[in-house]
Amino acid sequence: ETGVTQSPTHLIKTRGQQVTLRCSSQSGHNTVSWYQQALGQGPQFIFQYYREEENGRGNFPPRFSGLQFPNYSSELNVNALELDDSALYLCASSPGAGAYQETQYFGPGTRLLVL
Amino acid sequence: LAKTTQPISMDSYEGQEVNITCSHNNIATNDYITWYQQFPSQGPRFIIQGYKTKVTNEVASLFIPADRKSSTLSLPRVSLSDTAVYYCLVGGLPGGGADGLTFGKGTHLIIQP
Repeated sequence: ETGVTQSPTHLIKTRGQQVTLRCSSQSGHNTVSWYQQALGQGPQFIFQYYREEENGRGNFPPRFSGLQFPNYSSELNVNALELDDSALYLCASSPGAGAYQETQYFGPGTRLLVL
Repeated sequence: LAKTTQPISMDSYEGQEVNITCSHNNIATNDYITWYQQFPSQGPRFIIQGYKTKVTNEVASLFIPADRKSSTLSLPRVSLSDTAVYYCLVGGLPGGGADGLTFGKGTHLIIQP
């Protein structure tokens, strides 16, 4: 157990809809990262937040956005869902400022299916 | 871009030592090498991290040659529960961006009785 939780565990949406996924980091972890993992692929970095500010972003369009709150929770919002957004969405927390060499603690993920 | 290359799959047997090698020819001076393990329908789990030479912890060893262009994850005496996907990552910048925090396809390790 990593102490990182995500909700919901599974979600079904239709194309064009919006979705909000939630993550609760380990207490005291200032950095949260979000990843998208398509079936059979490795996780792909979406973005990272440190103390409520975005401090790194992967190759994802602006319709992927996030928030981080002072209580160590965070959200991933995806607008205008597309079929290719179907994936496992993972959040990971780390205690410091998000330096690569810090261990990241992953949650179990939210599996999103877009129809 | 510090891309990584690792075998798509490997098979071994219980009790054997398993070595998974990752190539990262374009590794930068400030890059670390990190390995994660992932079971189906779970998030990845940190295994080990190193910068150079050898690192050992309670579950694995990581061997890094002097040129740092490759690394080898060594799992001693594997069991069936070690069947998983193993990812090699290379990166080092704070925040990382797409380079520092991107996983490849990983190596699917299958352990047989």
